[in-house]
Amino acid sequence: ETGVTQTPRHLVMGMTNKKSLKCEQHLGHNAMYWYKQSAKKPLELMFVYSLEERVENNSVPSRFSPECPNSSHLFLHLHTLQPEDSALYLCASSQGLAGLSNYGYTFGSGTRLTVV
Amino acid sequence: SQELEQSPQSLIVQEGKNLTINCTSSKTLYGLYWYKQKYGEGLIFLMMLQKGGEEKSHEKITAKLDEKKQQSSLHITASQPSHAGIYLCGADPESGTYKYIFGTGTRLKVLA
Repeated sequence: ETGVTQTPRHLVMGMTNKKSLKCEQHLGHNAMYWYKQSAKKPLELMFVYSLEERVENNSVPSRFSPECPNSSHLFLHLHTLQPEDSALYLCASSQGLAGLSNYGYTFGSGTRLTVV
Repeated sequence: SQELEQSPQSLIVQEGKNLTINCTSSKTLYGLYWYKQKYGEGLIFLMMLQKGGEEKSHEKITAKLDEKKQQSSLHITASQPSHAGIYLCGADPESGTYKYIFGTGTRLKVLA
């Protein structure tokens, strides 16, 4: 356990469905991130929240909608996804946004999403 | 845009052998992180290098950042099956930014 918990671990959804991914951190961090990991591609930064405010929306399609109700929880709401959105979605947290940390980011185990 | 290139992309070694993974950037890095990922799971932080020439070790894993801060190597001594997984380098391409970039990873398999 890293202190960052993601649910569900696996999700299969149709292109017309609406679902949400959840991330919860118990580390007292104040910044949270969503990353997308596709096969043979580098991790792609999707969204960044600092102190519950979104500070980065990295050209992500509107079918992905993040929500950060408090500093411990982060959601990714999904609707009308495409098969190419199938990937591992990783949540991460850190203490502070910028600058170097001796501990890097703390990642969750990810949600494996399959869009059919 | 800046990218991190890792080599090799995959590696199969016999248990007990040493191995090296490289991470190269076209531009100076302000910080370099190494992570390990078990298949289909999250990333586990291994170590962070900041200064040119810096070297850090964690158990049997040693990482070094070159003087120009454009290349890092990860060296595993006497590999074990527990070392198997995907090793990713991540970096801070600009001072004080959170927009870290990551390499595509090196997939390591250790044969018992």
